[in-house]
Amino acid sequence: DSGVTQTPKHLITATGQRVTLRCSPRSGDLSVYWYQQSLDQGLQFLIHYYNGEERAKGNILERFSAQQFPDLHSELNLSSLELGDSALYFCASSAHSGGALADTQYFGPGTRLTVL
Amino acid sequence: AQTVTQSQPEMSVQEAETVTLSCTYDTSESDYYLFWYKQPPSRQMILVIRQEAYKQQNATENRFSVNFQKAAKSFSLKISDSQLGDAAMYFCAYRSSQGGSEKLVFGKGMKLTVNP
Repeated sequence: DSGVTQTPKHLITATGQRVTLRCSPRSGDLSVYWYQQSLDQGLQFLIHYYNGEERAKGNILERFSAQQFPDLHSELNLSSLELGDSALYFCASSAHSGGALADTQYFGPGTRLTVL
Repeated sequence: AQTVTQSQPEMSVQEAETVTLSCTYDTSESDYYLFWYKQPPSRQMILVIRQEAYKQQNATENRFSVNFQKAAKSFSLKISDSQLGDAAMYFCAYRSSQGGSEKLVFGKGMKLTVNP
């Protein structure tokens, strides 16, 4: 158990719908990262938050957004869902953000999203 | 942009034998971090081992060790005394040391089968 929790574990929804994925980082971790794992794209970085502020964006679609709350949990919002959004979405957390402090990212169990 | 290549999509090993998983990467940076993550059928991403580029000594964690060749940009993982529980997807990952670039860049992964 990494200490990172994600809910829900599974989500099945229809095209055009909106969903919210939730992540709670390990106790004390300030950084949260979101990754998408799909068969065709592999593991792709989406976005990074540090202590409530957005730090970096990857290939995140405009239909997707995220935020990190004062209690450090994070939510990933996916809207106008398409079939191609079906994937495993991981949240990871690390203690620090900053070049020299390359803390390891610990991954949650993931949320499997199926868009029908 | 940094890239990570795992050229072998699948490998198999006999229980108790040793296997080496290969990974190469491309970067113009001199300081960075490399990781191997394991993803068993449960889909959880589990850190196996990490290596800091500035360290010449190869990292070791119990039965897992790396062969880090900085000039060749090669980072292979050796698993000794393979166990059935080692069967999983293995991902090599790169992380920049620069602040604001803490994302992990993953290879496409390699499926390891352990035969009894």
